[in-house]
Amino acid sequence: GAVVSQHPSWVICKSGTSVKIECRSLDFQATTMFWYRQFPKQSLMLMATSNEGSKATYEQGVEKDKFLINHASLTLSTLTVTSAHPEDSSFYICSASTTATPDQPQHFGDGTRLSIL
Amino acid sequence: AQSVAQPEDQVNVAEGNPLTVKCTYSVSGNPYLFWYVQYPNRGLQFLLKYITGDNLVKGSYGFEAEFNKSQTSFHLKKPSALVSDSALYFCAVRDWNAGNMLTFGGGTRLMVKP
Repeated sequence: GAVVSQHPSWVICKSGTSVKIECRSLDFQATTMFWYRQFPKQSLMLMATSNEGSKATYEQGVEKDKFLINHASLTLSTLTVTSAHPEDSSFYICSASTTATPDQPQHFGDGTRLSIL
Repeated sequence: AQSVAQPEDQVNVAEGNPLTVKCTYSVSGNPYLFWYVQYPNRGLQFLLKYITGDNLVKGSYGFEAEFNKSQTSFHLKKPSALVSDSALYFCAVRDWNAGNMLTFGGGTRLMVKP
């Protein structure tokens, strides 16, 4: 149980294009979803927290106009990287929580490797 | 504020030997502690957690971790390492009073050699 599907797993696109990444909870309802960015050989950096039906909360230093997050349902959150540039190339990972109680683990998607040419 | 430290970037161990991956934490209240494993180009897989109760927690794939409140540590252990255990391991903490946000350590790469 508690499977999170992230799509696509790999994206290569030209500079200036926008890229949408989907994160779906397949067998549970995710009240909260998280978006992380991971640089090579580094830890996860939390970008934003999204709760279903409300605006995402962005971490300091993360451009909300650059990284658009939508959490329209209890099973789907999307991250759109707008006007992507090579410096946006990274590994993006989403996770989801089943409840609002912090004793439950987050469940992670398999990540999306974004390469901007 | 909450923080996690994994003092070793890499741990090398021979197959069949016991392994330990170290983690220390800092929270203002009571901690929820988690270990995750990451294989190349994959997301994180949950291994085990400490919430309350017994200080020794058993998790997936034969891993266990010991919560030590006085040393604010939560080291990951396994009695006998497998080559397939080679991966990146993350310790994470969540303060009881800080909502759902997890804070991750920097990660430790475990290399198990045959």
